[in-house]
Amino acid sequence: GAVVSQHPSRVICKSGTSVKIECRSLDFQATTMFWYRQFPKQSLMLMATSNEGSKATYEQGVEKDKFLINHASLTLSTLTVTSAHPEDSSFYICSARSETIGNTIYFGEGSWLTVV
Amino acid sequence: GNSVTQMEGPVTLSEEAFLTINCTYTATGYPSLFWYVQYPGEGLQLLLKATKADDKGSNKGFEATYRKETTSFHLEKGSVQVSDSAVYFCALSLQAGTALIFGKGTTLSVSS
Repeated sequence: GAVVSQHPSRVICKSGTSVKIECRSLDFQATTMFWYRQFPKQSLMLMATSNEGSKATYEQGVEKDKFLINHASLTLSTLTVTSAHPEDSSFYICSARSETIGNTIYFGEGSWLTVV
Repeated sequence: GNSVTQMEGPVTLSEEAFLTINCTYTATGYPSLFWYVQYPGEGLQLLLKATKADDKGSNKGFEATYRKETTSFHLEKGSVQVSDSAVYFCALSLQAGTALIFGKGTTLSVSS
């Protein structure tokens, strides 16, 4: 079946540094990917919609300068958390839409970010 | 606005017990409805879905029926196993391929 892979699965970074999370669709092309954030014991909140070759669409309240999203190819979207702070520690998960498989959405495994 | 409401957890059951996790939704139009499962330390996996009223989604012994009249999509399983312990999310999509709107999730813990 269709697979979406995220990397790294876990990352620890120092406060003030930036960290990049990759989301790859391994066996299908995805013009659209979605980035979510999940706080402990909370639901997944949509952060932004990533469109290949164009700017991401951010949800209200999400700082676009802090959470940089790049979707440079049909199989890769990246989320960069810039100048990370401890409150950015969270579980980030991406999903990708496969237009060739009935617009089905597939989720990655997620990435745990801890900012110390 | 569009939203999903799930019953609060955690739900604690003994093995072979009957499971129901309630889910209701508010949406404009005719959404598709989903149940996702998240095992400890893992990402989300699609458990089942239904795309129109009266559809029943089923997978791995789990079932849910799309009830338009009650705007509900309750998850049921006749006999749970320890391996079913996970967080279950109800979600909706207003249009195929658009971002999902999730409920808060319900933690299920099954003991032997």
